[in-house]
Amino acid sequence: DAGVIQSPRHEVTEMGQEVTLRCKPISGHDYLFWYRQTMMRGLELLIYFNNNVPIDDSGMPEDRFSAKMPNASFSTLKIQPSEPRDSAVYFCASSFSGREQFFGPGTRLTVL
Amino acid sequence: AQSVSQHNHHVILSEAASLELGCNYSYGGTVNLFWYVQYPGQHLQLLLKYFSGDPLVKGIKGFEAEFIKSKFSFNLRKPSVQWSDTAEYFCAGRHGSSNTGKLIFGQGTTLQVKP
Repeated sequence: DAGVIQSPRHEVTEMGQEVTLRCKPISGHDYLFWYRQTMMRGLELLIYFNNNVPIDDSGMPEDRFSAKMPNASFSTLKIQPSEPRDSAVYFCASSFSGREQFFGPGTRLTVL
Repeated sequence: AQSVSQHNHHVILSEAASLELGCNYSYGGTVNLFWYVQYPGQHLQLLLKYFSGDPLVKGIKGFEAEFIKSKFSFNLRKPSVQWSDTAEYFCAGRHGSSNTGKLIFGQGTTLQVKP
């Protein structure tokens, strides 16, 4: 099993650019989560999906952030336009039936 | 509101010392509890989990945790730490009867083990 796959692993972009982060959950998992981790704010849940449907997006910081899950094996988190304060490590995690979550390697985003 | 709290934010130990990291949760009833570890520059990995049964849970790398319902606690322990245990540790939980997959994470405890 390949585990949760995220791409890219590192992203450096300039303020105002669109950023798209990608995630492939573990096959058969029905929950997918997007987290953001920074030194200042720690680990924050942004949004999560169940069976491809967004359940709770209350953690999404503002309208510049959007997430989609078009099918059971793929999800994207998009930031448009990006700002320097969006710099963080973004983790995707998946779980089966609400049990333990398995985390991907993360995407380290730097917005200049 | 449901919450998970970790008492220690930063712990420094010497190798071979014993470790205990505190974790308390706020909700009653059936609970599912987890400890995750995040090594420097890496992602969170599951150390151990509790769903039901024996309240003393054994995990990977010699870690264990004890679920004490009366104290709403799920403390992580290791009898003898190694330098390689230097990492951040997160306690997480969810209500056992919850139909959501969402976990509530504690703030994390940074463990530094001196060689």
